[in-house]
Amino acid sequence: AQSVSQHNHHVILSEAASLELGCNYSYGGTVNLFWYVQYPGQHLQLLLKYFSGDPLVKGIKGFEAEFIKSKFSFNLRKPSVQWSDTAEYFCAVNAGTGRRALTFGSGTRLQVQP
Amino acid sequence: GAGVSQTPSNKVTEKGKYVELRCDPISGHTALYWYRQSLGQGPEFLIYFQGTGAADDSGLPNDRFFAVRPEGSVSTLKIQRTERGDSAMYLCASSSGTSGTLDTDTQYFGPGTRLTVL
Repeated sequence: AQSVSQHNHHVILSEAASLELGCNYSYGGTVNLFWYVQYPGQHLQLLLKYFSGDPLVKGIKGFEAEFIKSKFSFNLRKPSVQWSDTAEYFCAVNAGTGRRALTFGSGTRLQVQP
Repeated sequence: GAGVSQTPSNKVTEKGKYVELRCDPISGHTALYWYRQSLGQGPEFLIYFQGTGAADDSGLPNDRFFAVRPEGSVSTLKIQRTERGDSAMYLCASSSGTSGTLDTDTQYFGPGTRLTVL
């Protein structure tokens, strides 16, 4: 069974600091990878996704993520965070074999201090 | 356009009661998913519909949980003999389910129903 690990449970940064959130998955085959964000009081929203092609994907609000197949990783990055980036971030995977269900990590709570 | 909607937003019930949670997907989306999210955890898959049929129900925890989607649009998640451990946020998502892009379909989530079993 596939699993997703997000090792940073709670991250506190000051505005303008750089961000990198780790995501590792366990599955040997083809995968599709996602980052979702949940702002306070709002529902899950898609930040970015990787299906194939260029392993560096760019999403909304200046976020990007890099798929490193050899490391089974899909880390999320942003060069300069803003207070409005305070939210919970979830990495998710589905096996590219026709199984549609997403497997989520436990999430990382990001707190950006002004 | 309208997103995924879920009703009620909150449901409080007593142990042993029956509950129904409703999901209205994005118009035209053929695929519909139910997930459950406990506090401090990521969502966990329950069941997936393609059209009217349940294509994957491997995530349903036991036979107290059942879901239907009789007309291929609205879905209802039904929980019998609720237990305190069923307390969680129940999330619904939908995707276009376009044939030929099965593995690359993006799921869009609703706001969830928070279920509390006393």
